[in-house]
This record gives sequence, C-alpha cells and structure tokens, in this order.
Amino acid sequence: EVQLLESAGGLVQPGGSLRLSCAASGFNFNVYAMTWVRQAPGKGLEWVSTINNGGGITYYADSVKGRFTISRDNSKNTLYLQMSSLRAEDTAVYYCAKSFTIFNAMDVWGQGTTVTVS
Amino acid sequence: QSVLTQPPSVSGAPGQVVTISCTGSGSNIGAGYDVHWYQQLPGTAPKLLLYGNMDRPSGVPERFYGSQSGTSASLHISGLQVEDEADYYCQSYDRTLSGAVFGGGTKLTVL
Repeated sequence: EVQLLESAGGLVQPGGSLRLSCAASGFNFNVYAMTWVRQAPGKGLEWVSTINNGGGITYYADSVKGRFTISRDNSKNTLYLQMSSLRAEDTAVYYCAKSFTIFNAMDVWGQGTTVTVS
Repeated sequence: QSVLTQPPSVSGAPGQVVTISCTGSGSNIGAGYDVHWYQQLPGTAPKLLLYGNMDRPSGVPERFYGSQSGTSASLHISGLQVEDEADYYCQSYDRTLSGAVFGGGTKLTVL
C-alpha cells in the first residue's frame, strides 16, 4: 500500500525551529517529486515547498522562503521540512504529498501533522 | 487572497448537478498549465479527484468530471450524493510565482 506518514508536529515558541519528516512506503520514493502543503485552522490549502525526485531542485512559497528548507533522503525514503524562525502564522496542519513530476497532480497525501507556534 | 478564485460555497439537492468554478489568469490556467482538483472530507487529508483538467484517478466515479476554457476550469458533479459533502480545491502552477497555487476552496452542501 502506498503510504506517507508524517512525524509528530508540536508546539513551538515564536522564533523557534522544528523539523518535520515524512516517511514513504509502498512506492519507489526516488522516482517522485515531493511537496509540503499546509492548512491553517479553518483555512484553505497553501503550497509550501516542492523538491524534485533527486533532491537537487527545490521551490518555496514566498511566505516561507529563507526560513524553511525542504530536503529528502532517498536511501531512507524520507522527506523533511526544516522550519526555523517560526511565526504564529505558520500554525497549521502540514501535509506531505507525492507527484510524478514537479508541480504535477499530488496523487497521494499523508494524514497531516499539526504545528502550533505560540 | 488566493491566486485561483473559487466560490466559497455551493449547494444542491441529491441527484442534481453542481458546478464549481476556478478562475485564474494568464500566468497559470490561461498559460496552459493543468488544473487538478482535490476533495477534502471533514477532518481528513485532501484526496486527488481530477488531474490534468479532466482525468480521473482509479476509483473516482465518472459523475465527477472537469472542463477548462481560457483562464478558468470547472468541476462538475452529477447525481449528487450526501457523501459528496466536502471542501473542493483546484490547483495549478503559476509561472510568475514559480510555484503551485490553490484556489480558496469551495464547501459543497448537499441539501
């Protein structure tokens, strides 16, 4: 079964840091681009960051550029999101998702993990 | 303010057809980039509903279908069912922003 499992989020103080991980299983992880999408409480979906299958190409939303870093370890089938200089407006459920190529449809999503900055 | 504009809500009775619009611009939908649609049931992660403007992943019923014209795309749901109550999001790529963009989401209520 194709599955994405995000690590536990948590409560972080403003200005703090947190690293999320997303463990992939059931598919050839190193073939697919990966994306982080977030959803603030009661709000819509917001694209955060995307990385290509090899890990050498990354993209970020302006709202997180310079503060968040996306990376992946294909040997561990794991995607990461290093978040720093966190702000209250970063409070959201964070989802990881896979797509065949960068910015293609995201066909499998994780269950989401909650990050609260307060 | 989302780059792609969707109506906040739509409603319909069981069995009816509803349409959810997604309006973009010349830097995203109008530039020829594909539109994808996601369904988010309450308390769950989004699920891919349509990709490439109108193609359905395996398991998605044929009563969900899409269309696209110019700078807009639409999701159509026929034979509306109570279990279709959910939030629906369109998504594309924007070349000016160099990133993925989502619509603000549309809440579907089945009366």
